[in-house]
Amino acid sequence: AQTVTQSQPEMSVQEAETVTLSCTYDTSESDYYLFWYKQPPSRQMILVIRQEAYKQQNATENRFSVNFQKAAKSFSLKISDSQLGDAAMYFCAYVPTYGGSQGNLIFGKGTKLSVKP
Amino acid sequence: DAGVTQSPTHLIKTRGQQVTLRCSPKSGHDTVSWYQQALGQGPQFIFQYYEEEERQRGNFPDRFSGHQFPNYSSELNVNALLLGDSALYLCASNLRANTEAFFGQGTRLTVV
Repeated sequence: AQTVTQSQPEMSVQEAETVTLSCTYDTSESDYYLFWYKQPPSRQMILVIRQEAYKQQNATENRFSVNFQKAAKSFSLKISDSQLGDAAMYFCAYVPTYGGSQGNLIFGKGTKLSVKP
Repeated sequence: DAGVTQSPTHLIKTRGQQVTLRCSPKSGHDTVSWYQQALGQGPQFIFQYYEEEERQRGNFPDRFSGHQFPNYSSELNVNALLLGDSALYLCASNLRANTEAFFGQGTRLTVV
């Protein structure tokens, strides 16, 4: 079975500092997508960043970047220059490329990120 | 451009009752997926609809059923409600497979 594990239930970071959220996953597939979603108190899931497994280059989106280690099945999220608006639940998610759909995601349990002013 | 909209935002039901939740996908999207998010947990996939048919299903009992209409909107029905069905129900839409899924703000269901 495919699983996603987030081992940090809560993390805290000082405003303007950098924080890294961890995620590991288990799959026998070779082609898949990995995602980080943000869920603020408004409850709406917002896509932060996406990584295709066949791409060796780590994805980046402005202050957000990932460290994708395919052999280790690790997919961490780094948030640089943290802002108060980054405070939210962050979910790591996985979907296989074949037989799956980006609407059929497997999520981890989430990491609650607090940002201190 | 309206995103994914869900209704109602909150509702309270009694054990044994039936409930229907509604979702309108983002404009241009034809695929709708439903998720259940229990308190303190990540969302769990319930099922996905495309071309008015259930295409994929997660590990949920038959009490959970759905429908997709010709305009791509969707309903989630839950029969014989249990206390454990209390959760946030999220709807996501995308355009066929492997395009970004957009989520609605969810419906908070409380079963008493």
